[in-house]
Amino acid sequence: QQPVQSPQAVILREGEDAVINCSSSKALYSVHWYRQKHGEAPVFLMILLKGGEQKGHEKISASFNEKKQQSSLYLTASQLSYSGTYFCGTEMTRAGANNLFFGTGTRLTVIP
Amino acid sequence: DAGVTQSPTHLIKTRGQQVTLRCSPISGHKSVSWYQQVLGQGPQFIFQYYEKEERGRGNFPDRFSARQFPNYSSELNVNALLLGDSALYLCASSRTPGDSPLHFGNGTRLTVT
Repeated sequence: QQPVQSPQAVILREGEDAVINCSSSKALYSVHWYRQKHGEAPVFLMILLKGGEQKGHEKISASFNEKKQQSSLYLTASQLSYSGTYFCGTEMTRAGANNLFFGTGTRLTVIP
Repeated sequence: DAGVTQSPTHLIKTRGQQVTLRCSPISGHKSVSWYQQVLGQGPQFIFQYYEKEERGRGNFPDRFSARQFPNYSSELNVNALLLGDSALYLCASSRTPGDSPLHFGNGTRLTVT
């Protein structure tokens, strides 16, 4: 039930764009994206719900393809502060719980 | 408002010992979840509690147990520690079990030797 993320790691120069993918073998109700910096708590970025629209937050946006059970996180014009490990968390059903299955993460490094 | 607070921040135990980890949710949040994060992996769901009742349990052995108190704080207990229990234990809170997002604490780093 654990989603698969790709790539495992990516290095960008400031201003470059990146795409992080998350795919599941199970039908999904929602996909949650978090960023975790070393030694810190995961921080919520956005949630995409089944039947919902593509979400965006400044230069970070995401999409959710329900038919393919896939989600992608788009980071445009990357900044040094974007460095960290990105996790997608998935819910199979909306059973009134937040029991997320997290992927193994994508380590993003932004260099000057 | 203070975020999710966890204690202790670091802990070293030996195999076979027992450990208790503590979590205080954000004020107004009544749901608390526990996750285990092994180095290099994503968090894995252990438990969710709401109104002092267990609402969900992940695929962990019975050595793991938890409880929630009337003030909504929570404790995670692990008995008969194994080397493989070494991990970062994260607590997350939300207003209700279905509410998003989850707000995570900085975690407790447990090392079992």
